[in-house]
Amino acid sequence: GAGVSQSPSNKVTEKGKDVELRCDPISGHTALYWYRQSLGQGLEFLIYFQGNSAPDKSGLPSDRFSAERTGGSVSTLTIQRTQQEDSAVYLCASSLASGGASRETQYFGPGTRLLVL
Amino acid sequence: AQTVTQSQPEMSVQEAETVTLSCTYDTSESNYYLFWYKQPPSRQMILVIRQEAYKQQNATENRFSVNFQKAAKSFSLKISDSQLGDTAMYFCAFKSVQGAQKLVFGQGTRLTINP
Repeated sequence: GAGVSQSPSNKVTEKGKDVELRCDPISGHTALYWYRQSLGQGLEFLIYFQGNSAPDKSGLPSDRFSAERTGGSVSTLTIQRTQQEDSAVYLCASSLASGGASRETQYFGPGTRLLVL
Repeated sequence: AQTVTQSQPEMSVQEAETVTLSCTYDTSESNYYLFWYKQPPSRQMILVIRQEAYKQQNATENRFSVNFQKAAKSFSLKISDSQLGDTAMYFCAFKSVQGAQKLVFGQGTRLTINP
């Protein structure tokens, strides 16, 4: 597609349930990022995938959070046993590989707003 | 670790005026990239402008320009002839060239353009 797409746009779930958020990057982009945007914490990095390299998981806040990227394209962020503090907007971004600011510029999807009741 | 600070939580100007948003950052690296992103109420993050630290010339994109002061670690955004559509949250972001590939964001500035 022309841009990064994310689904669902909005998700309401009950505390303790698992949720899956999906990201479809720009075609040809090898790098994919997940960020979380919340009122109290601003924009936080969660995880980064680049090609076949091991992902950078340094931003995941707990072991309830995991992500995978299948076939170097679509990515799924999974939150297990959701808590109310997980309520936030989850943003996905993609970029080309390294090689200058233009290639490394991250383009964002519209985000998934998650509300945990 | 790198940090990015935006000291103006909110700003408001009249349409057609010029406005400058401030951003400072802290890093020990010599080569890096800086970005300004805009987030309107639709919540889509949109790239406004980018700057490579090794370039002394300030980046410009139509009505948007930056004042990049590397020694002072300052990266301000100037919006000329502001328009109603410029109303949004503006985020300054830092990206390392050699280190971690993530963007480090400031807290944002909420800009309102009044008619």
